[in-house]
This record gives sequence, C-alpha cells and structure tokens, in this order.
Amino acid sequence: QSVLTQPPSASGTPGQRVTMSCSGGSSNIGANTVNWYQHLTGTAPKLLIYTNNQRPSGVPDRFSGSKSGTSASLAISGLQSEDEADYYCAAWDDSLNSVVFGGGTKLTVL
Amino acid sequence: EVQVEQSGAEVKKPGESLKISCKGSGYTFTNYWIGWVRQVPGRGLEYMGIINPGDSDTRYSPSFQGQVTISVDKSISTAYLQWSSLKASDTAMYYCARILVATVMDVWGQGTTVTVSS
Repeated sequence: QSVLTQPPSASGTPGQRVTMSCSGGSSNIGANTVNWYQHLTGTAPKLLIYTNNQRPSGVPDRFSGSKSGTSASLAISGLQSEDEADYYCAAWDDSLNSVVFGGGTKLTVL
Repeated sequence: EVQVEQSGAEVKKPGESLKISCKGSGYTFTNYWIGWVRQVPGRGLEYMGIINPGDSDTRYSPSFQGQVTISVDKSISTAYLQWSSLKASDTAMYYCARILVATVMDVWGQGTTVTVSS
C-alpha cells in the first residue's frame, strides 16, 4: 500500500487531454513539493515534472503539473502513442523522513 | 553528457552477498547526492536511500534501514548498493539516480536486475 494514492490506470485517444491524480496527506504533499516521473517499460524512469509544476528542459509543454492542498495532478494534452507509460508521483514525507512514491498510473493510448 | 551508468545483471543464491554499482560521468560527482530506487516485478517504485558522495553522509528509508548498505568511492565517481545476505524477496530492478536538488532525481541509470533464486 503506497503512501501516495494514484489510480492504477488511465486511458485516452490520440490528441485527447488526460489527467491523473496523486493524493497524499499533510506530512507529504501538504507540506512538500511533488515530482512526477514517466517510466516506459524496459527503460530508465524519466523526470517529467519537478517542484509541482516545473518541466526539465526537453520535456514538451504538453505535460503540466499542479498541486492543491494534499493532492497533485499531472495533465497531458495532445496525447501521443509514445506517452503510453507508467506515471509516478513522489514527495518527501516529514513523518517517515523519506521520499514516498505513489503506486503509479498506467496510461494506455487507445 | 551527464550520465549514471549501472553495473550489469546479477543472479545470486539466497544467503550470498552482492554489491552493485552506479558510476557518474559528465558532471562533478561530489556535488550531487545519489539515490537508489527499487522496483519489484509487477510493483511500483520504492525509495531506498541516498548518499552524499562528497562526505559519504547516508540516509536510508525506514523500510530499507538495516537491509542494505549504500556506500561511495568518490575517487572513481561510483556509488554502491550492497547486501550481506540476499533473500528471494530482494529480486527486483534497482535504479540509481542523480539528485538534482532536494528530492528531484533528474538523471537515472538504466537499472540493474538482481535475481535471487536457489
């Protein structure tokens, strides 16, 4: 059972906009920033969004992040087939004194 | 190019010891912490711990404290993750990553598969 809760799956068609949520508590998302990682099967995870809503260079602006209270969300607009991957949120947890990850959302592009 | 490169796949028996590596290149190794993350087959990512290559300051996730040892040899820009006595439940993919700042892991290794089976 992950400390951060993500829906196990999401789906969309090419060109569509999809969002995925990440729910936590006062000791993690409520108190600290959120990062998002994209993980394609068989490859290294990739930093997608950091500090709630910042994109590393090279990440398309189709990807955006937001945070409100104890929840965060990742949005992908103009969905493409290559976006099919697992997406993980992560944040520092002040009670556990550790980074905690969500369980991941598997995105399927139909 | 900034990279972290991990050692190759390992197949071990229960009770054996193991040390896997993570070599940084293309940046000043001692300026950035290195973190380790586990992925058990079919499961999500789990944070294991981090090390400061500059002074070897190490922090473990409570779930992994006492289960593994994280170390570093800054003279060869390499961090390590080791087990003294492997268990079947240690079978997983292990990733190392450079920590850009705070909890942000910006450059990841390709992963090291560890299989523990009798």
